[in-house]
Amino acid sequence: GENVEQHPSTLSVQEGDSAVIKCTYSDSASNYFPWYKQELGKRPQLIIDIRSNVGEKKDQRIAVTLNKTAKHFSLHITETQPEDSAVYFCAASKGGTASKLTFGTGTRLQVTL
Amino acid sequence: EAGVAQSPRYKIIEKRQSVAFWCNPISGHATLYWYQQILGQGPKLLIQFQNNGVVDDSQLPKDRFSAERLKGVDSTLKIQPAKLEDSAVYLCASSWGTSNTEAFFGQGTRLTVV
Repeated sequence: GENVEQHPSTLSVQEGDSAVIKCTYSDSASNYFPWYKQELGKRPQLIIDIRSNVGEKKDQRIAVTLNKTAKHFSLHITETQPEDSAVYFCAASKGGTASKLTFGTGTRLQVTL
Repeated sequence: EAGVAQSPRYKIIEKRQSVAFWCNPISGHATLYWYQQILGQGPKLLIQFQNNGVVDDSQLPKDRFSAERLKGVDSTLKIQPAKLEDSAVYLCASSWGTSNTEAFFGQGTRLTVV
């Protein structure tokens, strides 16, 4: 089955700096890659996603890039703010949808003042 | 719109006891998911329903876990008997259908097995 690895497990940045979280996947048939943000004690929420027919997608301060050949994708957050502090999960699926998602192990991002 | 509702929020049981969790998805959502999230790990899909049929239960430990969605709306997940390693947050999520890209998660039920 699919295996998704995520790095780093923890990341501390100063407010205003950029943060990058990287994930690799094993199944070349995977074609949908969402990113979820989970604040402490709260539910995971989708923040951005990308399909395999696109190399990059941006939404304000958040961007995701995908390299199908290398089977890795990354989350980029620019101009980080304290409210960006949370655990971020990458995921992958083959159906192009939220069906049968395999999640990474998560990255705890801490944005310090 | 109202979100995915789960209950209880917290549950503490002794090993070998049984426990059940309840989920009410967002109205109209045909697809319902149960995930297990062990501390420090990402959510792991246990079972996925499309209406009241099972789409995927390949990672559900069927010797002790069971789930049902009898009328295609609410769902229950049961563990019997519980083991220490079942301690985790059980997340329910729903989406409009299997062709939809966003799954909406509930707050989860934190289970502690002692």
